Amino acid sequence: ETGVTQTPRHLVMGMTNKKSLKCEQHLGHNAMYWYKQSAKKPLELMFVYSLEERVENNSVPSRFSPECPNSSHLFLHLHTLQPEDSALYLCASSPVASSGTFYEQYFGPGTRLTVT
Amino acid sequence: QQQVKQSPQSLIVQKGGISIINCAYENTAFDYFPWYQQFPGKGPALLIAIRPDVSEKKEGRFTISFNKSAKQFSLHIMDSQPGDSATYFCAARIVDTDKLIFGTGTRLQVFP
Repeated sequence: ETGVTQTPRHLVMGMTNKKSLKCEQHLGHNAMYWYKQSAKKPLELMFVYSLEERVENNSVPSRFSPECPNSSHLFLHLHTLQPEDSALYLCASSPVASSGTFYEQYFGPGTRLTVT
Repeated sequence: QQQVKQSPQSLIVQKGGISIINCAYENTAFDYFPWYQQFPGKGPALLIAIRPDVSEKKEGRFTISFNKSAKQFSLHIMDSQPGDSATYFCAARIVDTDKLIFGTGTRLQVFP
């Protein structure tokens, strides 16, 4: 399979549940990202991993916990979420940024999360 | 706070018409300005990107116009087609980083 894949595509969880979102990229990239997409809001960058090290944590609540075991896989562990966390969670990958060069971020299809 | 403001929120265009989406930014520490296109059920995909030292970039029916002094940039879709119906996001990359700041999106509908 090519590109960026995400599982599951849909997830409904209660506020006391623990679940994980999975992202896998087959593009040979070494930077991976988690974004949150809510209606009528800009895509919000949550986490950035570059060469398997977390380089950005955009003031995300601790109930979201990322994990990047290798350059091809990225997880987002969820626990004790709130209803306002319901959104589309997008994973993306790209080559690591370099000065003077723009690399496209390739997005997966997202996981639609509903917190009840 | 670094922001990118996008308008309009939604746009309806007749087939063959020109679609215009505008963005403005408030911080000068950006070095690339990409546009992404998103279809329902899919993640965003890069459409076209421009550097701030270029005033215009064209790829097929899609053109970015960039006004550095006004801190504004826009996407023009010429000869709009029903297949162009999607949500479009402008973005700005913080200099030399992997970090993109996105606009709020414009939902474009092109009717035959």
